[in-house]
Formats: sequence, structure tokens, C-alpha cells
Amino acid sequence: DAGVTQSPTHLIKTRGQQVTLRCSPISGHKSVSWYQQVLGQGPQFIFQYYEKEERGRGNFPDRFSARQFPNYSSELNVNALLLGDSALYLCASSLGLAGATDTQYFGPGTRLTVL
Amino acid sequence: AQSVTQPDIHITVSEGASLELRCNYSYGATPYLFWYVQSPGQGLQLLLKYFSGDTLVQGIKGFEAEFKRSQSSFNLRKPSVHWSDAAEYFCAVGADTGRRALTFGSGTRLQVQP
Repeated sequence: DAGVTQSPTHLIKTRGQQVTLRCSPISGHKSVSWYQQVLGQGPQFIFQYYEKEERGRGNFPDRFSARQFPNYSSELNVNALLLGDSALYLCASSLGLAGATDTQYFGPGTRLTVL
Repeated sequence: AQSVTQPDIHITVSEGASLELRCNYSYGATPYLFWYVQSPGQGLQLLLKYFSGDTLVQGIKGFEAEFKRSQSSFNLRKPSVHWSDAAEYFCAVGADTGRRALTFGSGTRLQVQP
């Protein structure tokens, strides 16, 4: 079975632009979470979606938004990009909403560079 | 609020030597603890997890971790390190209620010398 897939692999944008990142969860998984990993740091939680509804949000500005589709895939959108948004964006999928006991499986990430 | 501290930013060990990576957590209730490994340019791979029960947890690739409630620690160990273990290791804590996100430490980079 395929794991979590993310596209694109790499992306270069300039300040002020908008970007959309995509994630396909493992087949059968209904929950998707997004994390931001700045170079040299651990991942930080951005959003969790389950059954197309937002179920959790981290401390990120409103420039960050996401959605989940009926097939459980997800998009993360970031508007008005800042240099500080440069990071590896990780998507994780899990079966449901069983809390932390529901293991999250991570994709390879999208490397976003903002110039 | 939950938090995770990994005191060692960078560790170097010789191939074949034993390894222990430290992790301390702060959480008000029973923690759910994880160790993930990240190779350069890659996503995170789950090594092992602790939810309850036996405090010594076995994971993949020969890794194990021990949960010590009295010390708020969840240290990762391996008896004999292989060159392919060179990577970044992240400890994480999760909650079973409320926001179900994982909170990660800042990571420990492991270098393996031949």
C-alpha cells in the first residue's frame, strides 16, 4: 500500500505570493494533520482535519488555511508569504480521531522556499 | 501545556557503540510518547510508541525506549549503533483529549563514526 504522498516535493515562491500544498493520506485513513518544520527545529502542529472538518489548530496566523476533500485528501494554503514561512511542510494521516493512540504516519514533506 | 525537551542537540558515537538519546516531557496527565527518526530530506518514520503497560517499549531497527514517570523521561536506546542510524531523532508527546496534535522536541542529530 502507498504511504502518505505530498506534492509538490519542492517549491520556490516570492514574498507576498500564495501557495497550495497537497496531501493524500494512506488508504482508509480519514484524518490528516499538517505540520511545519523550520530548519533545525522539530515539527510544529498547524491543523488537523477529520471527516472534512477542522478538529484542531495550532498557533499559526490566519494566512494559513486548509481543507479536506470527500476522498480525505487535503490542501494547505498559505497566503501573503513571508520569508519565515520557508520550511518543510509535513502531512500526517491517521485512521480516525482516537487521540494520540491513533498513530500518525508522515509523508516526505514539501520543501517551501520563500525568496 | 505539554512540552518536550531533548537536551542533546548533537551526539556522535562510534559504529558498534551503544546509544542513549534523552527526552524529557511535561504533561499533566498520562502521556502518550513517541520517537520518530528523520533521515536527511525525508519525512518522519515512527520508531516506537508508549501508551500504557510495560514501561520498556521495543521498536523497529533494534531501538527501545523506557518510560520513567518519576523522571518524566522517555529515553531512546540502542545496544549497537550502525552507520545507517545516522539521522535526526525526535521525541514527541501526544494528548488523548482536546487538541490531538503531537508536540515535538527540537531533535537530536546523531552522527556515527566508522
